[in-house]
Amino acid sequence: DIVMTQTPSSQAVSAGEKVTMSCKSSQSLLYSGDQKNYLAWYQQKPGQSPKLLIYLASTRESGVPDRFIGSGSGTDFTLTISSVQAEDLADYYCQQHYSYPFTFGSGTKLEIK
Amino acid sequence: EVKLLESGGGLVQPGGSMRLSCAASGFTFTDFYMNWIRQPAGKAPEWLGFIRNKANGYTTEYNPSVKGRFTISRDNTQNMLYLQMNTLRAEDTATYYCARSRVMDAWGQGASVTVSS
Repeated sequence: DIVMTQTPSSQAVSAGEKVTMSCKSSQSLLYSGDQKNYLAWYQQKPGQSPKLLIYLASTRESGVPDRFIGSGSGTDFTLTISSVQAEDLADYYCQQHYSYPFTFGSGTKLEIK
Repeated sequence: EVKLLESGGGLVQPGGSMRLSCAASGFTFTDFYMNWIRQPAGKAPEWLGFIRNKANGYTTEYNPSVKGRFTISRDNTQNMLYLQMNTLRAEDTATYYCARSRVMDAWGQGASVTVSS
């Protein structure tokens, strides 16, 4: 199985600050056939279901604010929130859908100071 | 509007069985892969498996952690997705979600399953 490692496990920031969180995979998620990285990011607010933010490492899902930016390739990926809002309080998970079984990282909990 | 609504959760004894359902609406059900994912309280989600779309013959893939105990099926006439869970264990206690597509672009609200005597 591909192991997804997320750091940090939690992070506290003030509204308006920039935040970055990391996701590393134990194998490359870059498919040679199409040169795409099969990595997604999800946001899970307290008491809610996960919500897709980013897929193919950097493509923002429809309706997701442009302050959410996905980047990276191969085994190293980053989710950046350019200017954190209070409503961004949530757990953030990366997930690979490159090979079976699909696997999630352990998450980064974002707290607002 | 895309909607997914799970049902069928509850309390079950160890060794028992349970079937979860997921009612889908707002999209052409047969066009999409459908997943089951579970999430124990306070932990990360775990992908359980999916059933492919019509174009890919409705075949299934499973996480080895549940393969042989859990079965995913769909009723395309009713736009329903199912998860049959057998020989349940305490560690199967979780909230179970259905989600659409390989990139899981829509999720249900979840169904709680507790395995306990």
